[in-house]
Amino acid sequence: KAGVTQTPRYLIKTRGQQVTLSCSPISGHRSVSWYQQTPGQGLQFLFEYFSETQRNKGNFPGRFSGRQFSNSRSEMNVSTLELGDSALYLCASSFGTGGYGYTFGSGTRLTVV
Amino acid sequence: GESVGLHLPTLSVQEGDNSIINCAYSNSASDYFIWYKQESGKGPQFIIDIRSNMDKRQGQRVTVLLNKTVKHLSLQIAATQPGDSAVYFCAEIDDSGGSNYKLTFGKGTLLTVNP
Repeated sequence: KAGVTQTPRYLIKTRGQQVTLSCSPISGHRSVSWYQQTPGQGLQFLFEYFSETQRNKGNFPGRFSGRQFSNSRSEMNVSTLELGDSALYLCASSFGTGGYGYTFGSGTRLTVV
Repeated sequence: GESVGLHLPTLSVQEGDNSIINCAYSNSASDYFIWYKQESGKGPQFIIDIRSNMDKRQGQRVTVLLNKTVKHLSLQIAATQPGDSAVYFCAEIDDSGGSNYKLTFGKGTLLTVNP
């Protein structure tokens, strides 16, 4: 079966711009979670969506937002980009919530210049 | 607070040797632990998991040990192969707080296997 698909794979944006990243989960998975990965902070939880509802949120500023559609696909948006937002953004999908049974995508590498 | 850390950031072993990757966790309420492997350019991949009511679990060439007394987790890889070269993360879930639970990752250990 197809895995978790994240698009685009690479992205370069300028400070102050906004960006939207997309995640298509494994068929049948209803939960999508997002993580930010940086060399200094490692993998940090952004938020989790299940059945179009945000179920949990990490400690990120309001510039980071997300949503989930009825087909379980999810998008995350970062507004007013800062240099420190440069990171690998990973999404993971699963049947249920809470981190059990995660399958990760390969991520979107965002570079802010 | 909740944090998961690793004792060794890098580990270099010879092909065929056994590898041991260690992880310390601070949340005594965590009841589920997972080891992930992340290869370059890919997302983390599930290796093995263990619940807090167990102290050992074995998979194919991998064993996870859990010591709740000292809040320590380890991943043992037998007969390490070049394909095992990757960053390894331990992760924990504390689901004792209702719906506000999530997977928390450690910083990672880079394993390099020398041929």
